[in-house]
Amino acid sequence: DGGITQSPKYLFRKEGQNVTLSCEQNLNHDAMYWYRQDPGQGLRLIYYSQIVNDFQKGDIAEGYSVSREKKESFPLTVTSAQKNPTAFYLCASSPDRARNIQYFGAGTRLSVL
Amino acid sequence: AQTVTQSQPEMSVQEAETVTLSCTYDTSESDYYLFWYKQPPSRQMILVIRQEAYKQQNATENRFSVNFQKAAKSFSLKISDSQLGDAAMYFCYIPYNNNDMRFGAGTRLTVKP
Repeated sequence: DGGITQSPKYLFRKEGQNVTLSCEQNLNHDAMYWYRQDPGQGLRLIYYSQIVNDFQKGDIAEGYSVSREKKESFPLTVTSAQKNPTAFYLCASSPDRARNIQYFGAGTRLSVL
Repeated sequence: AQTVTQSQPEMSVQEAETVTLSCTYDTSESDYYLFWYKQPPSRQMILVIRQEAYKQQNATENRFSVNFQKAAKSFSLKISDSQLGDAAMYFCYIPYNNNDMRFGAGTRLTVKP
């Protein structure tokens, strides 16, 4: 089945720790995105990548980092510099530019211990 | 700044009735796409419908249709014959360009049996 797989489903972070959220897609899409969703709010763009080895900051990139070494994979690292990381994180992909439909993973819920 | 506004935090509808969710936006772009996404309790984002701004004809997908008023910058979603499975958060989404992709804050729809 084609789709986007996010793992883990739940993740806990200790103070001062970096954690990495995984996002893998087998849709052969060029573009991939990371969003953050806080309770009662819409999605805010963290980072996006239009092509392998290239990525751009979104609205709330501070405290986060990404890599795009393979077309299929776009991991997100939440660093210790992100002081309020508790949120629901969604990964998406689209065939090329942002104007196309975005397909979403099931999300990762990150909490702070 | 280009914005997307959903002015109805919550809406409710009786099963089998019709409900309209509103979305307004502000942009100087002339060519763009508009989307409605649904997020049920599972939190999986699901595409409901897509509209291309240069098309005058309103998009329709089964029981879901839009009323797109480009001059008024309005993009409402109409759900006909509402079903219990329609209960979810609904987000209006406009990717203005590769660097500016905006979700509204969402409308929580409750369907009463």
